[in-house]
Amino acid sequence: QVQLKESGPGLVQPSQTLSLTCTVSGFSLTSYSVHWVRQHSGKSLEWMGRMWSDGDTSYNSAFTSRLSISRDTSKSQVFLKMNSLQTEDTGTYYCARNPMDAWGQGASVTVSS
Amino acid sequence: DIVMTQAPLSVSVTPGESASISCRSSKSLLHSNGITYVYWYLQKPGKSPQLLIYRMSNLASGVPDRFSGSGSETDFTLKISRVEAEDVGIYYCGQLLENPYTFGAGTKLELK
Repeated sequence: QVQLKESGPGLVQPSQTLSLTCTVSGFSLTSYSVHWVRQHSGKSLEWMGRMWSDGDTSYNSAFTSRLSISRDTSKSQVFLKMNSLQTEDTGTYYCARNPMDAWGQGASVTVSS
Repeated sequence: DIVMTQAPLSVSVTPGESASISCRSSKSLLHSNGITYVYWYLQKPGKSPQLLIYRMSNLASGVPDRFSGSGSETDFTLKISRVEAEDVGIYYCGQLLENPYTFGAGTKLELK
């Protein structure tokens, strides 16, 4: 059974760094890409980046150099790190297996002091 | 960036009737390999999105065959026949052809 689960802090202070972990099961990270997708409350979906099965990464330029995605295949985990957080980064962060045929439950993140 | 434009933004349907949602892309989503990289997702209230249709017209695993996808290189349609209560939610089209992958604004389906 394919599963993804996001974990991380629900509250981050402005200017700080967000660190999220996506733990997957039921498939191998060396066979499937994993995406990170953000959703502001009541809004549409925003693609952030992708960890390819070969370990390469792709990023949405909208996040310029703030975003970093990495992985630990031995632990079946994909990591998202985004720095210089602002209040507009508040939202729900999802990881999803390519082609987004399986999603995590989402991690709600609030940026506030 | 490829812009995905959905219409309508909301639709109200009588159970048992059919519904259609349109999506238009600002650029052809047809790859040289012959695959059209448009996808349809449904986000039920309070839930994560789920894949309905992949590569324009292929039904995702476990999705009822009441759902179907069709289209051309830039114009796409999701059709739901015999709408049921469980179909309520927001439908998104998305393109996975090129970076950045983008989604439409969503179409909210409600029951009359």
